[in-house]
Amino acid sequence: QKEVEQNSGPLSVPEGAIASLNCTYSDRGSQSFFWYRQYSGKSPELIMFIYSNGDKEDGRFTAQLNKASQYVSLLIRDSQPSDSATYLCAVNLGGDMRFGAGTRLTVKP
Amino acid sequence: GAVVSQHPSRVICKSGTSVKIECRSLDFQATTMFWYRQFPKQSLMLMATSNEGSKATYEQGVEKDKFLINHASLTLSTLTVTSAHPEDSSFYICSARSPDGPNEKLFFGSGTQLSVL
Repeated sequence: QKEVEQNSGPLSVPEGAIASLNCTYSDRGSQSFFWYRQYSGKSPELIMFIYSNGDKEDGRFTAQLNKASQYVSLLIRDSQPSDSATYLCAVNLGGDMRFGAGTRLTVKP
Repeated sequence: GAVVSQHPSRVICKSGTSVKIECRSLDFQATTMFWYRQFPKQSLMLMATSNEGSKATYEQGVEKDKFLINHASLTLSTLTVTSAHPEDSSFYICSARSPDGPNEKLFFGSGTQLSVL
């Protein structure tokens, strides 16, 4: 079992819709959770982080964490074509950051 | 967010030459930095963990004599690709861990596209 798993996609949503990206992790001791956005040919950019169970909202982005079920998700409301990118889930276990393979999101105008 | 600077952004070199890539944390001290490589349409691959003042820790399958890492200060780590060959052509990315205790985060440099002719 991979430490951090994401559906590779591609996930395609129409402009204005909600994009839902999911991530599961294997180690219950994981402490903090991150979402990075990576545009093609660019390096990853941190867009959200969450440390405790529940929802965390920042603009059009909402991160959701459920430690009991070992999943973390990212919702993007009112999706825009500029949101088209690969989204990487990352999990911090005692200072050891592990990344998922990423989900490619395409927002169609 | 914190700023991590990486230079150069792009380098083209002849086979057999060495290339040095610099990674700097501009607004925080980073005792630990990381080096990744990424091939087109593939995921990040961790190459090594760079620790200030000590030897780097390399991931399995990464040649330490080929990819030399030096982390001489709390704000600078360098990766030198020695005797580069076309198969070393890739996107190299560094990252630095911000010192926020349990809330530490990882910030990435802008990446270096290496093309070996």
